[in-house]
Amino acid sequence: QVQLVESGGGLVKPGGSLRLSCAASGFSFGDYYMTWVRQAPGKGLEWLSYISSGGDNTHYAASVKGRFTVSRDNAENSLYLQMNSLRVEDTALYYCARECDIGDCVDQWGRGTLVTVSS
Amino acid sequence: QSVLTQPPSVSAAPGQKVTISCSGSSSNIGINYVSWYQQLPGTAPKLLIYENNLRPSGIPDRFSGSKSGTSAALVITGLQTGDEADYYCGTWDSSLSVGMFGGGTKLTVL
Repeated sequence: QVQLVESGGGLVKPGGSLRLSCAASGFSFGDYYMTWVRQAPGKGLEWLSYISSGGDNTHYAASVKGRFTVSRDNAENSLYLQMNSLRVEDTALYYCARECDIGDCVDQWGRGTLVTVSS
Repeated sequence: QSVLTQPPSVSAAPGQKVTISCSGSSSNIGINYVSWYQQLPGTAPKLLIYENNLRPSGIPDRFSGSKSGTSAALVITGLQTGDEADYYCGTWDSSLSVGMFGGGTKLTVL
């Protein structure tokens, strides 16, 4: 079965950096676009970024563009999110998710990893 | 504030029907597919509807989706207490080149 397991979350000070990882299994990882979505405590879903199957095409939400970088290692079935210049408002549960075959939707989600930005 | 507008909450009695709306614009819902997600308390979201009105395997036909112009809707019939959750619409915005979700709608089954 499809599994997406995020890791790397934790407590970080404003201005700090963190790298999230997502280990994928149960499907042909290199065939799928992948997405990062976050959810601040008590708030709704916020789309952050996607990366194409080959890793050559990426898009970012305005709120993280220039600070976050998505990447992948298809040989390791892994997705990453490098987060720099973190702000208090980046505090959220970060989900790794798989794009649908045909795009325009997300059909598999991890359980998320919590990032807390606080002094 | 989300670009896709959903009502913050809806409610209905068990067995009844509820409609959750999602309003966007010509650059997102107007030209792209809409998907819907259910998030039960304390869990990750789950895909309910894709390509405006298609259900993934395992999603009961009590859940249906539609799209007209720059708006979309999720209809849930035969409401059950287990349907109490937050529901989100999602799509792509071709002008901004970003994905987006609605602000979410909390469904209460009275």
